[in-house]
Amino acid sequence: ETGVTQSPTHLIKTRGQQVTLRCSSQSGHNTVSWYQQALGQGPQFIFQYYREEENGRGNFPPRFSGLQFPNYSSELNVNALELDDSALYLCASSSPGEGGYTFGSGTRLTVV
Amino acid sequence: DQQVKQNSPSLSVQEGRISILNCDYTNSMFDYFLWYKKYPAEGPTFLISISSIKDKNEDGRFTVFLNKSAKHLSLHIVPSQPGDSAVYFCAAVNAGGTSYGKLTFGQGTILTVHP
Repeated sequence: ETGVTQSPTHLIKTRGQQVTLRCSSQSGHNTVSWYQQALGQGPQFIFQYYREEENGRGNFPPRFSGLQFPNYSSELNVNALELDDSALYLCASSSPGEGGYTFGSGTRLTVV
Repeated sequence: DQQVKQNSPSLSVQEGRISILNCDYTNSMFDYFLWYKKYPAEGPTFLISISSIKDKNEDGRFTVFLNKSAKHLSLHIVPSQPGDSAVYFCAAVNAGGTSYGKLTFGQGTILTVHP
């Protein structure tokens, strides 16, 4: 059984640029959720994807968007990067009714 | 609007003693609760969970208690070990709803276990 893998592990971008983060879900999980964790805070829910469609979104602007692919892997895209977007971005996979939420190790994004 | 709160930013405990981490929530739609442990530069690692139909769940040294009327849960670690030193997050979800992937986290408690 493979866990959740995220890439890249670290990334440095300039303000105004765009970034794409990737996530492979755990085998058997069909739902992917993305979280942003700022320093000293708990993870904040960005959005959830199920069957390649977004079906839940937190309090994040439209420049945060995502995709889910037929193999349940996912991408998080952030446009027009701002300094406050610097954070650890976590991906978690799950399946309805299963009660398991498995996290990847995250991507540390730094915006300069 | 902080729907899940961990009011103790840090806790220091002697090795072998009990560690008690607390968590309060406000949303009555939450029906499933989880505790995660997190080391720096790693993702959260699942520890233990509890459904709202139970008031206690035990797994080895870890026990979670849920008091629905008080909207309060706690994680007990007995005996505490130095390797337990990490940040502990409480999380809640409406697992029966459509956004079952949306975990709401507390701010975390830094646990330090001294030898």
